Amino acid sequence: GAVVSQHPSRVICKSGTSVKIECRSLDFQATTMFWYRQFPKQSLMLMATSNEGSKATYEQGVEKDKFLINHASLTLSTLTVTSAHPEDSSFYICSASPPKTGFTNTEAFFGQGTRLTVV
Amino acid sequence: AQKITQTQPGMFVQEKEAVTLDCTYDTSDPSYGLFWYKQPSSGEMIFLIYQGSYDQQNATEGRYSLNFQKARKSANLVISASQLGDSAMYFCAMNSGGSNYKLTFGKGTLLTVNP
Repeated sequence: GAVVSQHPSRVICKSGTSVKIECRSLDFQATTMFWYRQFPKQSLMLMATSNEGSKATYEQGVEKDKFLINHASLTLSTLTVTSAHPEDSSFYICSASPPKTGFTNTEAFFGQGTRLTVV
Repeated sequence: AQKITQTQPGMFVQEKEAVTLDCTYDTSDPSYGLFWYKQPSSGEMIFLIYQGSYDQQNATEGRYSLNFQKARKSANLVISASQLGDSAMYFCAMNSGGSNYKLTFGKGTLLTVNP
């Protein structure tokens, strides 16, 4: 199956600083990637859809100025949490959408996730 | 809008026995896909099984099978011959927005396999 790599796996930052999380598709080009957030013992909630070469589409209630998404290439999307606060502490996970041709799998391919702790 | 409901916050099963994890869904789209993912404590999302809305037969993948009852809008996961390594969170999900990869998740079921 396709491989999606997410980095870093864990990060601790001070309140008020910014943190960048990378999501890379290693063996396919992804025109679309998705960013999810998961609070402890809760489900994954879609935050935004990252579109290569265009602006991300944010879900209702997600602050686009706080969660900056950049999808500058077909293999890399980044999520930057700006001016992080303790309430932003969460598990962030990305998934990538492989092209329709050449892949028969139907599942989304997820990164390993990033556990962000803001102190 | 799509909605996934998992009514079992936690389930226990004895090793080597079978267990069914419940999932019901709601959508107005005639074409949709249903997924089950396993999430161990490490956090990674492991794909288990997929069922398309037009698939005639229930999906099976090794010890996993999906009991798809379209009229009831249910897509229960059956794990046969449970193993200790099956202990994890299990999420039911469905695609949305016309994309096979943009997923709406249920709240999950924490499965514990007892020796």
